Amino acid sequence: AQSVTQLDSHVSVSEGTPVLLRCNYSSSYSPSLFWYVQHPNKGLQLLLKYTSAATLVKGINGFEAEFKKSETSFHLTKPSAHMSDAAEYFCVVTPTGTASKLTFGTGTRLQVTL
Amino acid sequence: EPEVTQTPSHQVTQMGQEVILRCVPISNHLYFYWYRQILGQKVEFLVSFYNNEISEKSEIFDDQFSVERPDGSNFTLKIRSTKLEDSAMYFCASTYGREGSPLHFGNGTRLTVT
Repeated sequence: AQSVTQLDSHVSVSEGTPVLLRCNYSSSYSPSLFWYVQHPNKGLQLLLKYTSAATLVKGINGFEAEFKKSETSFHLTKPSAHMSDAAEYFCVVTPTGTASKLTFGTGTRLQVTL
Repeated sequence: EPEVTQTPSHQVTQMGQEVILRCVPISNHLYFYWYRQILGQKVEFLVSFYNNEISEKSEIFDDQFSVERPDGSNFTLKIRSTKLEDSAMYFCASTYGREGSPLHFGNGTRLTVT
C-alpha cells in the first residue's frame, strides 16, 4: 500500500522569496516519487522525479526536492518564487521499477504575490 | 517534445448519454492510463492498459466504463450511461514503462454531465 500526504493545501509566498511545499509518503515498497504541477486549465506537467538514485533531485524551472528516507519526506523547494510559479502542485508516489498506478496527494495551491 | 493529446477539451452531455473521451498517447509508449479529478478533489486512478488489455483498474472503474485501443494510436475511455457524479476532468497518460520513466499526461477533458 502507498499513500502521500501534502501537509499544506495552500501556500502563499512573495515573489523572490523561497518556496517550500511539504510532502510525506508511506509505501510498502521502495518508492519512486514525483512532483507534478498543474497550471489553470492545463494538464499535469512533470517537475521532477526520484527513482532511487541521487537523493537531491533537480527539476525544471529551478525546483528541487530531497528524498529523506528517515523522515519519509520529499519536500519541494525553490530558492526564489516567480509569479509564473502560481499553480497547483501534486506529490505522487508509485512503487519503483513498475509502470503501476500513481497515487496522488491532495495537492498544494501555491499563490505568489508581489 | 512529443505530447499526449486529448479531445475534446470540454464535453457537455446529458445524464444517461454515452460519451467517448479520446486520447493519442506518445507514439512509442506501451502503458496507458486514465485518471480523473473531480472538482476540488484529488486526482484518482481509473484504469491502466498494456498489451491490449486492462492491467489494473480501480473500484471507480465499474461496468459503466470501458477502454479501447482501436488502432495503433488512439486510446479511448467510454462511459456508457453518464451520471451527474461523472462530471470531472479526465486525464489520459502514457509511459514507456522503463524503471523510473514518468507518466506523461494530456491536458485533460472536462466532462460536464447535466
